Amino acid sequence: DAKTTQPPSMDCAEGRAANLPCNHSTISGNEYVYWYRQIHSQGPQYIIHGLKNNETNEMASLIITEDRKSSTLILPHATLRDTAVYYCIVRVAGTDKLIFGTGTRLQVFP
Amino acid sequence: GAVVSQHPSRVICKSGTSVKIECRSLDFQATTMFWYRQFPKKSLMLMATSNEGSKATYEQGVEKDKFLINHASLTLSTLTVTSAHPEDSSFYICSASALKRTVKFFGPGTRLTVL
Repeated sequence: DAKTTQPPSMDCAEGRAANLPCNHSTISGNEYVYWYRQIHSQGPQYIIHGLKNNETNEMASLIITEDRKSSTLILPHATLRDTAVYYCIVRVAGTDKLIFGTGTRLQVFP
Repeated sequence: GAVVSQHPSRVICKSGTSVKIECRSLDFQATTMFWYRQFPKKSLMLMATSNEGSKATYEQGVEKDKFLINHASLTLSTLTVTSAHPEDSSFYICSASALKRTVKFFGPGTRLTVL
């Protein structure tokens, strides 16, 4: 299974960009990278996913390195409501399962 | 995004009783749903994969007789915690994806407290 490594915590000032890194050095060629976040006592919320190309949606941007061994989730203008645990996940090869790691606890401060 | 609901949102029960948790995909059909549990300040742990019309597949270390899963239709999966004990107290979360879609959506979770 491709495993992901994320820093346990990060801080970001409100209004600034939050850049959350993720290493997935054992990812295989057809595995997608997914990002979810979980606000306290709620179910995980889908943010974005990608395979090779960079992706952008109304919530965030996903930058994937050319070798696909790492990626960065960018929240362009962080707000206090973006405080959450952010999970970078690579789907288990050959299955439909998402295995969660420990994630990054992002704290946005005023 | 697609909507997944869970019922109840929280339940308190006595030790030894059984508790059923429902997971519904509200605006799409899902042949596969997933059940997770989460302890305080911990990450989500995958318990089992619920397959419509067939038996669930459980992750290693999860007791299938303890956590009964039924996926009777394309929009409903249920998790029954049998003979619940205080150590079963946890946050239970389900997820589902539409047919042939890669993105999974998660329910809001069910907080189980066993006294």
